[in-house]
Amino acid sequence: QITLKESGPTLVKPTQTLTLTCTFSGFSLSTSGVGVGWIRQPPGKALEWLALIYWDDDKRYSPSLKSRLTITKDTSKNQVVLTMTNMDPVDTATYYCAHSMRAAVDTAMPNWFDPWGQGTLVTVSS
Amino acid sequence: QSVLTQPPSVSAAPGQKVTISCSGSSSNIGNNYVSWYQQLPGTAPKLLIYDNNKRPSGIPDRFSGSKSGTSATLGITGLQTGDEADYYCGTWDSSLSAGLWVFGGGTKLTVL
Repeated sequence: QITLKESGPTLVKPTQTLTLTCTFSGFSLSTSGVGVGWIRQPPGKALEWLALIYWDDDKRYSPSLKSRLTITKDTSKNQVVLTMTNMDPVDTATYYCAHSMRAAVDTAMPNWFDPWGQGTLVTVSS
Repeated sequence: QSVLTQPPSVSAAPGQKVTISCSGSSSNIGNNYVSWYQQLPGTAPKLLIYDNNKRPSGIPDRFSGSKSGTSATLGITGLQTGDEADYYCGTWDSSLSAGLWVFGGGTKLTVL
């Protein structure tokens, strides 16, 4: 059974850097094709994909947020970390991590996101 | 504004059928697989359909997916009050060299 859980601060101040950790079980990020993605959802709004990291350290970012995001993995700890710099109140959202699989060996495209963690609400306020 | 266009809301009576559309372009839906996600109130999204029309284990066959050209459709038959949720389509967009994952704006299903 695959499970994921997000952890990190619930409140950050504007201009600060957010660091979120996704701790997972039931799969390994050293297995070919496996990936972990981050998705966020502002209150009452739609899902927004942020970043994705694969087993081979291939990393993909949302173009609109790429300059502010860094995704890394620690295979030995079964963790994926997302950092987002220069936080702003508009970044207030529930942040989810999710398991994924590369669609094919010659593409960066994931097939889907499944399952998802429970999410963690991050509020940006002074 | 989302790259994939979904109707903001749909509604139908219990037992009826409903469809939710997801419109995109050749750089996303037209050339890549579509997946659908169900988000019940206050919970995390859950994969409902993948590879356009496949159901993960445990998803009832009341849920179906299809794709034609640059549009995809989620169908739900035998509506139940427990189906009231937000539904999102998602796919890969290849318009940029690095690619990106895109979601639709979501559709709120009300079972009257």
